[in-house]
Amino acid sequence: DGGITQSPKYLFRKEGQNVTLSCEQNLNHDAMYWYRQDPGQGLRLIYYSQIVNDFQKGDIAEGYSVSREKKESFPLTVTSAQKNPTAFYLCASSNPGTGSYEQYFGPGTRLTVT
Amino acid sequence: AQTVTQSQPEMSVQEAETVTLSCTYDTSESNYYLFWYKQPPSRQMILVIRQEAYKQQNATENRFSVNFQKAAKSFSLKISDSQLGDTAMYFCAFMKGTSGSRLTFGEGTQLTVNP
Repeated sequence: DGGITQSPKYLFRKEGQNVTLSCEQNLNHDAMYWYRQDPGQGLRLIYYSQIVNDFQKGDIAEGYSVSREKKESFPLTVTSAQKNPTAFYLCASSNPGTGSYEQYFGPGTRLTVT
Repeated sequence: AQTVTQSQPEMSVQEAETVTLSCTYDTSESNYYLFWYKQPPSRQMILVIRQEAYKQQNATENRFSVNFQKAAKSFSLKISDSQLGDTAMYFCAFMKGTSGSRLTFGEGTQLTVNP
């Protein structure tokens, strides 16, 4: 089945440690996105990538980093510089080159930093 | 910058009845897309319906339909014959009509369908 996978579902880290969240898609989509969701709020864009080896900052990129070395993978690193990293993180992908602009989402990773 | 506003943080409806969720947006763009996403308790984001701004006809998907008022910048979602499985957080989202463009989300409306 085609889809987006995010692992792990729950992640716990100590303050001061970097942590990498995985996002993989087998939909052959060109564009991939990372969003952050806090309780009672909508999704906010962290980073996005429209093509391999290229990515752009979203609205809340500070304290995060990404890479896009392969079309199917877009890992997100939450660095120790992120002041409030505990949140729910969602990865998405889309294939705008085909005229389809919908974004499809993975199941998310709940990150807790203590 | 685009903004999306959902003025109803919570709503409830009886099973089998109809409910309408409101969404307004602000943009200077002429070419854009609007979406409604559903997030059930599993937290999986599911696309419910999409609307292209250049289309005058309102989009429909089974029990879900929209009322798109371009001049008023309004994009409401109507759910007919509400079912218990419709209980979820609903997000309105805006996207500029540019390839690979990003989504701007509203803050969501928590819908509860009561038996």
